[in-house]
Amino acid sequence: QITLKESGPTLVKPTQTLTLTCTFSGFSLSTSGVGVGWIRQPPGKALEWLALIYWDDDRRYSPSLKSRLTITKDTSKNQVVLTMTNMDPVDTATYYCTHGAPPSYWGQGTLVTVSS
Amino acid sequence: DIVMTQSPDSLPVSLGGRATINCKSSQSVLDSSNNKNYLAWYQQRPGQPPKLLIYWASTRESGVPDRFSGSGSGTDFTLTISNLQAEDVAVYYCQQYYSSGTFGQGTKLEIK
Repeated sequence: QITLKESGPTLVKPTQTLTLTCTFSGFSLSTSGVGVGWIRQPPGKALEWLALIYWDDDRRYSPSLKSRLTITKDTSKNQVVLTMTNMDPVDTATYYCTHGAPPSYWGQGTLVTVSS
Repeated sequence: DIVMTQSPDSLPVSLGGRATINCKSSQSVLDSSNNKNYLAWYQQRPGQPPKLLIYWASTRESGVPDRFSGSGSGTDFTLTISNLQAEDVAVYYCQQYYSSGTFGQGTKLEIK
């Protein structure tokens, strides 16, 4: 079955760069049509779509965050990495890794707090 | 960005009743080349990740009860939950995946 798990720091300081890794199983990111993405949710607030990478390395970004985001894949390791630069306290959120567009499988999420 | 606006923000419904949640996009999410609406609905229970209920505006995900139905086209969409059950208490989100993937602000469904 398909599973996804997010990993990375739970606490980052303002202005730092956040690097999150999604490790998945049950599918291959080299298979035509497959995409893995990231979505976040600040505590008590709505979902926010961040980025998506497809099997052919096509990358899509949230227009409002595009300048701060980079999404990459390592097909051999079954991993997708998201980096977000210049972190701010408003970026405090649970970050989810997802499969598909629209996302039909979600990781459990990882809470990232931005604080000095 | 395509902006998604849901209404209402909260919705009290009696057990066994019907819930109707609306979602409006700031521009059409209908792709005329394949006649598909790039609109999905999710259910999020407290402490859990969202669960995909409906995609292509009206196609139920596998395993989703037929009490859940989606309708609409272009810029206006509706999620209807019939015969409301206690386990349906959750926050519901719409999402367009026509251009990137913006979400609505969510609708909190509760028991009246």
